[in-house]
Formats: sequence, C-alpha cells, structure tokens
Amino acid sequence: QSALTQPASVSGSPGQSITISCTGTSSDIGDSKYVSWYQQYPGKAPKVIIYEVSNRPLGVSNRFSGSKSGNAASLTISGLQDEDEADYYCASYTGSSALLFGGGTKVTVL
Amino acid sequence: EVQLLESGGGLVQPGGSLRLSCAASGFTFSDFGMRWVRQAPGKGLEWVSVIAYNGIHYADPVKGRFTISRDNSKNTLYLQMSALRVEDTAVYYCVKGLTVASNWGQGMVVTVSP
Repeated sequence: QSALTQPASVSGSPGQSITISCTGTSSDIGDSKYVSWYQQYPGKAPKVIIYEVSNRPLGVSNRFSGSKSGNAASLTISGLQDEDEADYYCASYTGSSALLFGGGTKVTVL
Repeated sequence: EVQLLESGGGLVQPGGSLRLSCAASGFTFSDFGMRWVRQAPGKGLEWVSVIAYNGIHYADPVKGRFTISRDNSKNTLYLQMSALRVEDTAVYYCVKGLTVASNWGQGMVVTVSP
C-alpha cells in the first residue's frame, strides 16, 4: 500500500490558478470513484474540501475543484488567496477499505 | 454539529501500551464507519485502522499490534496500541467516514520514547 504521489510544493500569486497533481495506480485512484482532498493548516486537523473526485462539501469555496483521469487526480485552486496557503493532501479509498493518502503539497501564496 | 473528542494519548516507552478513546456526538454513531489516521511530526497523513459494516482493517505497519473497537452504546471509538515503537510517535486523529474522512477530531499526541 504505497502512498499516492504529490508534488512537495506549489506556489502562485494572488488571483492566479494553481493545480496540484496526485498520481496513483490502477489499484487505487484508477479503480476508485472515492478520491478526496484535504486542507490542513499548521497545528490544525485536516478538513475535507473535495470528495468523490469533484464534489464540494457545504461551505467550501467554489474556487476549489477536483478532477480525475486514469490513475491521476487533480485539485485546482482558482483565484488564489492568502488564506489558501496550507498543506493539501489527496486520498483514495480502496477496495480493501484502506484510505491511501498522498505525501502532501505545501501551497505558498507569493 | 459533529464532534469527535480524542483522549488517552501521552508519553510511553518502546514496547509499552496505550489506549486512545474518541467520544463522538452530533450524528448517529452506529451508522458510520470510523477510522484512526496518524501524522508523524513534520510528515504526511497515514491511515491506521478502520471499523465499518464490512469489517475491521489495519494498515501494514500496525497489524498485529493495534486493535480498533467501538462501543455504539457509548458512542465511543477506541484504539488499543501495544508493542509501541518509536516510529509510532504521531498525532492520532479520530475520523468519521469510510470512503471519505468527512470529520476529524482535534488530534491526540502519542510519543514513544525511551
């Protein structure tokens, strides 16, 4: 059960759009409709921002969007804001009830 | 409002044991799968164990050492940790949900050190 692969860091200027990739295999992302994304601020618990590939929970900004193609998923943050500076994790639910996480991506707003 | 309140963490020596508890409220506890997820200092998230309608499962690093259980009458989730190793040092989160980690507790620090 290897972790999913994310870039260690992504940065952008306020107002720009950034995309975080999450690469898995045909046994996890490629075989699952249950891909989710989490936002975590330092010292705080994570919070789900995308579930089932592209759905946003109530209260999550529509600047966050998710997609999937083959064995990879992506999170796009549009109109980047200072408050978006945080760590982001992807996750995939597998048939063995595992919830595999990516290594995390630190988003920096320049 | 969903609330998950962990307790039971602390400092333990290698080889020791510890039991974490998670008191849940704000939802029908028995209807949902529950997980434990941990985060080592400065590292990413790692699922530890899950208990749901389809059974109990453990991540490879904790198999045979950790035991997850729940008491639906008390709305409480547990994680019994034995034969603890230095590499088990982490913040342990109680999490609601099977296919998605929809709600998280505040986290409980477990430190394994001589």
